[in-house]
Amino acid sequence: AQTVTQSQPEMSVQEAETVTLSCTYDTSESDYYLFWYKQPPSRQMILVIRQEAYKQQNATENRFSVNFQKAAKSFSLKISDSQLGDAAMYFCAYRRDVSSGSARQLTFGSGTQLTVLP
Amino acid sequence: GAVVSQHPSWVICKSGTSVKIECRSLDFQATTMFWYRQFPKQSLMLMATSNEGSKATYEQGVEKDKFLINHASLTLSTLTVTSAHPEDSSFYICSASFAIWSNQPQHFGDGTRLSIL
Repeated sequence: AQTVTQSQPEMSVQEAETVTLSCTYDTSESDYYLFWYKQPPSRQMILVIRQEAYKQQNATENRFSVNFQKAAKSFSLKISDSQLGDAAMYFCAYRRDVSSGSARQLTFGSGTQLTVLP
Repeated sequence: GAVVSQHPSWVICKSGTSVKIECRSLDFQATTMFWYRQFPKQSLMLMATSNEGSKATYEQGVEKDKFLINHASLTLSTLTVTSAHPEDSSFYICSASFAIWSNQPQHFGDGTRLSIL
């Protein structure tokens, strides 16, 4: 079974600074997807960024980027120029790359609560 | 982008009541829907997976008679919490997936906050 570990329950960052959230996972598969989701106090799940395991290039979405280390099974999220609106719970998630829709369930990490200090 | 609507967003009811939560995909056919439960400051826990036209697959430890899931159409799945008790109070979130979109992420509803008095 796949597992996702987020070892930082809480993190804080000064506004405009950079912060990195850690995520490691365990899988025996070679093809899969990794995601970072943001859950603000409204509790809506917002997709921040995703990475296909077969791609060596790290994904980037504006101020958000990942450091994907496939051999080390590490998938960290870097937030640059942090903004107050970035404050939220961040979840790392794993999903198998399979054709069966029902098998594409997400496995979530325990989450990291990010606080942005003004 | 794809939109998933979940209703109601918040429900308060008395113990013993059955509560139905709807999850609708508004602009795509959701062949698979997932139901999650989330306790405060915790992660999402998958409860069950439902495929259109077939019985839901429940995760270990989830009572299928307590949490009834119906996925009768490609745009609607429902979760009914039967004879709800205070311990069923939680945040429930659905997500939807389209079979052909193997490389697309799931799309989440906004969640339902269930409070049982």
